[in-house]
Amino acid sequence: DADVTQTPRNRITKTGKRIMLECSQTKGHDRMYWYRQDPGLGLRLIYYSFDVKDINKGEISDGYSVSRQAQAKFSLSLESAIPNQTALYFCATSDPGRGGMDTQYFGPGTRLTVL
Amino acid sequence: DQQVKQNSPSLSVQEGRISILNCDYTNSMFDYFLWYKKYPAEGPTFLISISSIKDKNEDGRFTVFLNKSAKHLSLHIVPSQPGDSAVYFCAASEKYGQNFVFGPGTRLSVLP
Repeated sequence: DADVTQTPRNRITKTGKRIMLECSQTKGHDRMYWYRQDPGLGLRLIYYSFDVKDINKGEISDGYSVSRQAQAKFSLSLESAIPNQTALYFCATSDPGRGGMDTQYFGPGTRLTVL
Repeated sequence: DQQVKQNSPSLSVQEGRISILNCDYTNSMFDYFLWYKKYPAEGPTFLISISSIKDKNEDGRFTVFLNKSAKHLSLHIVPSQPGDSAVYFCAASEKYGQNFVFGPGTRLSVLP
């Protein structure tokens, strides 16, 4: 079974609709992240959370919100979707460990299309 | 302005030869660098990392070189195999365990 899962894997919606993307992990990591990938731009950080009570904005948080329901769950919401939010969305987890060297583990991605 | 740049969107290499993927960064505070590999319809997977106290890190066929003065790192794959065909992302962070900045990726094609 995958350690980091994302639902749905694909979603087509219309402008103005509210959308929630969900992420669950079984790795036991405290840190979770949401990224979006656009062609030619790589992965850009939307929000991140270092524990259940810690939520931080990333590089491109406008138009998005998140909820850390538990250590294992981190949801991304688009309150009113717009076409330029069409992208591939990735959830990731990490655990810096004793050495402080952090590595992120990514989910399979959610392809979102906003018409 | 992108802090992490991968100026080659794509690269084609013959099987068995060396693949060299390059990455440049502008933020002199970056001190931890990673390479991720991504296959279609999958999330990126960690490949190899290097901290600023080193100039080379090797793991099997994969070696990452860091030139801090030039703000440049490279990933060498020797020998290249068809299964290495993927998109490779370079990423950097200012502190261990803090946020990562990703480059736009380079698509590597290893031809049989």
